[in-house]
Amino acid sequence: NAGVTQTPKFQVLKTGQSMTLQCAQDMNHNSMYWYRQDPGMGLRLIYYSASEGTTDKGEVPNGYNVSRLNKREFSLRLESAAPSQTSVYFCASPEGGSGSFGYTFGSGTRLTVV
Amino acid sequence: GQQLNQSPQSMFIQEGEDVSMNCTSSSIFNTWLWYKQEPGEGPVLLIALYKAGELTSNGRLTAQFGITRKDSFLNISASIPSDVGIYFCAGLNYGGSQGNLIFGKGTKLSVKP
Repeated sequence: NAGVTQTPKFQVLKTGQSMTLQCAQDMNHNSMYWYRQDPGMGLRLIYYSASEGTTDKGEVPNGYNVSRLNKREFSLRLESAAPSQTSVYFCASPEGGSGSFGYTFGSGTRLTVV
Repeated sequence: GQQLNQSPQSMFIQEGEDVSMNCTSSSIFNTWLWYKQEPGEGPVLLIALYKAGELTSNGRLTAQFGITRKDSFLNISASIPSDVGIYFCAGLNYGGSQGNLIFGKGTKLSVKP
C-alpha cells in the first residue's frame, strides 16, 4: 500500500529464534503502529509510537519489543519466537495526525513459527 | 478494553445481491471507519464517518454512523465478484491516547458469479 512499506513479506522461524520486522513510512506522519492479525480475531494493537523517540504498549505487547529509529522507521522485534506468534503483522500510520481520516496500512508480514 | 461486535462473520451471496453488515459497541466513538482487506494485502479505507447520524456513500457502498454513536452500518448494493474480501469496522476516539483505533473481527464476503 502506498506510503507504508514492510519487510519481509514472508518469514519462517524456528521456536526460539529472533527477528526484526521493518516498517517505513514516507508520509511524514508522527504516529506509527504495529498490529497482528489472527483468523477470526481482527487486528490487535501490539505497540505504537506517537512520535519519534516514544513508544507505548498496546493490547498484546508480550513477547515483542519495538524501536522508533527515526520519524520514518518503526521496527518490531521478536527476541525468542514462539508458535503463538505465528500471525500476519501489519504496520500502519494514521492520516490527519490523529488518525481521524483513517490509517494507511502496509501490505503485511506473514510470519510462521515452527 | 473496548470491543466491537461485527456481524455477520461471513456472507455467501449471489452477484447482484445487496449486502448489509454492522458493528456495535458498548462504548461511544467519535469516528467510525470501514476497511476492506483483500487476500495478501493490508486493510484499505473505504469510508470514514465523523458525525452521529451521518450517511456517506462511496460508489456502491453506503455507511451510516449510528445516532447513539455506538454503532455503524455498511451496505453494498448490486454486489460484483471484486467485492470479495474481509470488511472491518473500526471505532476511533482521538484527543487522548494515540493507540485507540479499535477493530471489529471482520465480515468475510464471498460473491458467487
